[in-house]
Amino acid sequence: DAEITQSPRHKITETGRQVTLACHQTWNHNNMFWYRQDLGHGLRLIHYSYGVQDTNKGEVSDGYSVSRSNTEDLPLTLESAASSQTSVYFCASSESPMSGETQYFGPGTRLLVL
Amino acid sequence: AQSVTQLGSHVSVSEGALVLLRCNYSSSVPPYLFWYVQYPNQGLQLLLKYTTGATLVKGINGFEAEFKKSETSFHLTKPSAHMSDAAEYFCAVSDLRDDKIIFGKGTRLHILP
Repeated sequence: DAEITQSPRHKITETGRQVTLACHQTWNHNNMFWYRQDLGHGLRLIHYSYGVQDTNKGEVSDGYSVSRSNTEDLPLTLESAASSQTSVYFCASSESPMSGETQYFGPGTRLLVL
Repeated sequence: AQSVTQLGSHVSVSEGALVLLRCNYSSSVPPYLFWYVQYPNQGLQLLLKYTTGATLVKGINGFEAEFKKSETSFHLTKPSAHMSDAAEYFCAVSDLRDDKIIFGKGTRLHILP
């Protein structure tokens, strides 16, 4: 069955370190998204991609970057981790290009920045 | 700009009682509307969605929602709550212009025995 996986599932790091969260999908979807989930804020969009070599900033992109070198993967990099980036991160994908398409979510990565 | 408001960050209902989770949206163009559910320590999964056509939408696990344009609402209901319905529920909106979805802040549903 097609799926979307994230790794690691849990990560503890120190402020100032670079951290990369992996996202891999086997749906063959063109669209991929990264969200962060925080109490009282719901899900907020960090970055998204509509295809290989395409990346776009979302609502809360400062301090994060992504790159899309193939269809299956969209890694999220925290360039210099800050305590404010302690959160649960979700990757999602959807079939393009029709709007209204369902997004399929990974299980999440819980990140703690000390 | 699109937005979603979910009324009540926590809702408690007794097992067997009606579940009603409220969602109002703001959109300048016809919206696409979604309800997602998140069980503990899991990602979100789609419950149901409205794109076009029939305004009463049926989803998984006995849930349904009705799109009411005049009220800009998309409330989620289930006639009889089950303990397994305890989860967090997110209402979301998107539209024709792009594939991004705007999520509400979520409502945590508690089921009382």
